[in-house]
Amino acid sequence: DAKTTQPNSMESNEEEPVHLPCNHSTISGTDYIHWYRQLPSQGPEYVIHGLTSNVNNRMASLAIAEDRKSSTLILHRATLRDAAVYYCIPSDQTGANNLFFGTGTRLTVIP
Amino acid sequence: GAGVSQSPSNKVTEKGKDVELRCDPISGHTALYWYRQSLGQGLEFLIYFQGNSAPDKSGLPSDRFSAERTGGSVSTLTIQRTQQEDSAVYLCASSLGVRGGLYGYTFGSGTRLTVV
Repeated sequence: DAKTTQPNSMESNEEEPVHLPCNHSTISGTDYIHWYRQLPSQGPEYVIHGLTSNVNNRMASLAIAEDRKSSTLILHRATLRDAAVYYCIPSDQTGANNLFFGTGTRLTVIP
Repeated sequence: GAGVSQSPSNKVTEKGKDVELRCDPISGHTALYWYRQSLGQGLEFLIYFQGNSAPDKSGLPSDRFSAERTGGSVSTLTIQRTQQEDSAVYLCASSLGVRGGLYGYTFGSGTRLTVV
């Protein structure tokens, strides 16, 4: 599994954009980059994933560096409901049987 | 159902007793995963099922832990002779198939197990 490095914690003001970084310098060419988040007292939920191109969905945007060694999850307008632990997970599309959840980034949203 | 259902939501048991935790995956999802999360910690992979293939048990912490999946649907995680260190939230997830890079996981809300 590719190693990831994420900040332990970040803070954002409500209604401002948030950029959550992730370094995955050992990522292989076939690994997708997944992002999940875990709200308090809930199981993780899928946010977004991508391979090479930037991706957008209703929850967030994913910006992937050209060399794929880092990515950034972008929440365009943070709300109090976005306070959660965010996990960046490279995953081998060809053979991995499970996703490895590291320690993630705990995002605090300040009203 | 619309999501992954786990039962019970909370379980308190005495040390040394056996417990069974149940997971109902999303209909049509062939892959099913069990994780556990101790207080303030990240998720620890336990076991994975995909269709009729032999499960990947590489994450089970000891032989007191076992799991089965009947009919490719419902799964039961059994912990025998529970110990206090087994206290954690046990999370189940399902996905459309293997190849984790392609299919997202849907998690249940978990079972909070407390061993006293």
